[in-house]
Amino acid sequence: DQQVKQNSPSLSVQEGRISILNCDYTNSMFDYFLWYKKYPAEGPTFLISISSIKDKNEDGRFTVFLNKSAKHLSLHIVPSQPGDSAVYFCAARSSSNTGKLIFGQGTTLQVKP
Amino acid sequence: EPEVTQTPSHQVTQMGQEVILRCVPISNHLYFYWYRQILGQKVEFLVSFYNNEISEKSEIFDDQFSVERPDGSNFTLKIRSTKLEDSAMYFCASSEMDTEAFFGQGTRLTVV
Repeated sequence: DQQVKQNSPSLSVQEGRISILNCDYTNSMFDYFLWYKKYPAEGPTFLISISSIKDKNEDGRFTVFLNKSAKHLSLHIVPSQPGDSAVYFCAARSSSNTGKLIFGQGTTLQVKP
Repeated sequence: EPEVTQTPSHQVTQMGQEVILRCVPISNHLYFYWYRQILGQKVEFLVSFYNNEISEKSEIFDDQFSVERPDGSNFTLKIRSTKLEDSAMYFCASSEMDTEAFFGQGTRLTVV
């Protein structure tokens, strides 16, 4: 039951360019969405989140866009830096549950110098 | 900056043995979680814990698993009789109410 999907297993971009990571969800009860970054042998690190009452949230180089009608969200990283190379996970939760996060499969981002 | 800490970082155990994974959540957080990630797969929810009791558990979290908050700082996951398929990275996380969860560095459990 893949309620959260990241259809691109990997993405490669040039340093300085924009990275766009995509995520789709199926459960309309989800009302809070998060992006996490993960390096090998480390735990997920919180990056940015968005509530379903918004369609955009920005924090420095990171912007998350939410399209509720399409059940789609995306993470934009501008400009991309080599240190951004990692696995990015999209996660979702419903306020009616206990804070449980449902994760996507992850997208491996490689930013080339 | 406050962080979630997990010990040990790597645990090797024989099949059928009991293991206890330990976590110290962020001190003012109220919600505690365990997740796991089998190699090459997605991060999966195991259990959430609030107000000294389990608030939700997944179908993975069967009778072989238990959680405990033995004192005001530690949060533990016990697997009573480990199986080969329990080999995974186990992540502890904590959060305040309705905010993002912060994850620990993980414990790599290897069952041989």
